[in-house]
Amino acid sequence: SQTIHQWPATLVQPVGSPLSLECTVEGTSNPNLYWYRQAAGRGLQLLFYSVGIGQISSEVPQNLSASRPQDRQFILSSKKLLLSDSGFYLCAWSEISGKYNEQFFGPGTRLTVL
Amino acid sequence: AQSVAQPEDQVNVAEGNPLTVKCTYSVSGNPYLFWYVQYPNRGLQFLLKYITGDNLVKGSYGFEAEFNKSQTSFHLKKPSALVSDSALYFCAVRPSYNTDKLIFGTGTRLQVFP
Repeated sequence: SQTIHQWPATLVQPVGSPLSLECTVEGTSNPNLYWYRQAAGRGLQLLFYSVGIGQISSEVPQNLSASRPQDRQFILSSKKLLLSDSGFYLCAWSEISGKYNEQFFGPGTRLTVL
Repeated sequence: AQSVAQPEDQVNVAEGNPLTVKCTYSVSGNPYLFWYVQYPNRGLQFLLKYITGDNLVKGSYGFEAEFNKSQTSFHLKKPSALVSDSALYFCAVRPSYNTDKLIFGTGTRLQVFP
């Protein structure tokens, strides 16, 4: 069966520090991968979307970047964090235009920028 | 513009009573519709989906949803609510087969009182 991991689970970082959040998927090949941010426990904002290694689509202009160095690894980064980067970050995967159209979410990373 | 609306920020229901969480959508073409549930500080869990076929879809934990094309709605229902159903519920739509991205509603908090 497929599983998705995110780490760390929680992170407290000072303003101006770098960021690296990691997401890995097991049990599937060539998945679509997504990064979302959830602010204030409500709506989901799609940040990045990837259909393959090195292929990243940015959905909103921001202080963050994403990379996909391996097929099942998706990394969210920042060179200098802002207070507004605080939130709950969720990684998700889906089959590429496949039978299973739903997205499956990881457990999330709670980021607090102080 | 393609969108999903969850008109209620919060729904309160007594344990044992039926519950309904509303969702309407606005997309061109035939949508794929989804419901997810989120417990505090956790990722989203997939509940059910409508792709095609029967308008009444049954999912996890006794939940079901009814697709109504004329009303462009996909309301989530359960015949008898449990206190453990208390969570944040998200409706989402995949606008067409040509995209794997989902559009999420803003979420509805369900509170089931004992």
